[in-house]
Amino acid sequence: DAGVTQSPTHLIKTRGQQVTLRCSPKSGHDTVSWYQQALGQGPQFIFQYYEEEERQRGNFPDRFSGHQFPNYSSELNVNALLLGDSALYLCASSLDFGYTFGSGTRLTVV
Amino acid sequence: TQLLEQSPQFLSIQEGENLTVYCNSSSVFSSLQWYRQEPGEGPVLLVTVVTGGEVKKLKRLTFQFGDARKDSSLHITAAQPGDTGLYLCAGPVGSARQLTFGSGTQLTVLP
Repeated sequence: DAGVTQSPTHLIKTRGQQVTLRCSPKSGHDTVSWYQQALGQGPQFIFQYYEEEERQRGNFPDRFSGHQFPNYSSELNVNALLLGDSALYLCASSLDFGYTFGSGTRLTVV
Repeated sequence: TQLLEQSPQFLSIQEGENLTVYCNSSSVFSSLQWYRQEPGEGPVLLVTVVTGGEVKKLKRLTFQFGDARKDSSLHITAAQPGDTGLYLCAGPVGSARQLTFGSGTQLTVLP
């Protein structure tokens, strides 16, 4: 039974560019949440998707947007990248609030 | 302002020593979770505590949930180098019950 799969694992982008990160949830999970984690810090909640709708959003600007597909997979898009967007982006899938995390995408903005 | 405060932020100890990590809040949580995260990996759930005063043991790890459900602790007995990692506490908040995390405790166990 595959867990949460994220792609790519690493990414380097230039300031001002746009990036799309992808997440396939654990089998049977219908909810996907995205987190941003700075080095040595706890993850910060970006948003959560359920039934293809954004259900809850954290304190992140509109440059951060997402999407959930009918098969429950999800994408995180970040526009107009800033140096401060460099972080580990984690996807967590859940069913009835039991969360499973992927290994993350390490984004470096130069 | 961090809803969950963890202490200490960094901890470096010798193999065989005991340690305690704390997770405190001014808010009541319906449950708290503890995760361990290794470099390049996502957090892995260690335990969920639900009842005030609850104590759970996982081999050499002992987790406690405060009576008022505002704090929790993680105690490790006879630490081993394999215990090295970032320890995170987290609790559900909001209508979607998304997880809010503490800032983490970076534990290093030296052989």
